[in-house]
Amino acid sequence: RKEVEQDPGPFNVPEGATVAFNCTYSNSASQSFFWYRQDCRKEPKLLMSVYSSGNEDGRFTAQLNRASQYISLLIRDSKLSDSATYLCVVNSGGGADGLTFGKGTHLIIQP
Amino acid sequence: GAVVSQHPSWVICKSGTSVKIECRSLDFQATTMFWYRQFPKQSLMLMATSNEGSKATYEQGVEKDKFLINHASLTLSTLTVTSAHPEDSSFYICSAKTGHYNEQFFGPGTRLTVL
Repeated sequence: RKEVEQDPGPFNVPEGATVAFNCTYSNSASQSFFWYRQDCRKEPKLLMSVYSSGNEDGRFTAQLNRASQYISLLIRDSKLSDSATYLCVVNSGGGADGLTFGKGTHLIIQP
Repeated sequence: GAVVSQHPSWVICKSGTSVKIECRSLDFQATTMFWYRQFPKQSLMLMATSNEGSKATYEQGVEKDKFLINHASLTLSTLTVTSAHPEDSSFYICSAKTGHYNEQFFGPGTRLTVL
């Protein structure tokens, strides 16, 4: 069974702090990896793709460890607007395959 | 960026009625569309994958006769929840992708409440 496991949180951190999430996935054949952000009662929005070499987009850094089947997301200098649920997402086959979502990690940035 | 719309945004219906949800890609042609649903405090779960002009592929445990999917054009897919019951109440979200990019673009979702 395809599964993506995440710590649901919530993570309560002060504004300006650095916070890290991680997730693990069970399907070793997985090929594509993403972090999505979902605000309350809204659709998920792509935050960033995750590559084996690691990638950075502004304050956000994502890492992938294929051997451990582990994905991480680091947020630096957190803003109040970063409060959301962060979804770890895996596409297991490329092409027309759908996405497998984790339950998400709830982040609350406190002023 | 690519935009996907869904209609209606929310619907409340009586048990036993059928509800149709539309998903449209507004500024690109979607070779594949996906339907997901999300129950409260749960993750999004893939229901089915739909390719234009062919039958949808349903995930295990999703009844194809209850959740009818039609993908008649490269910009429109519909999901019909037939004979809806209260346990079908959920947040239904579609997504679409082109053949060029790996990213899926999500619609804003449809909140279905069955009384």
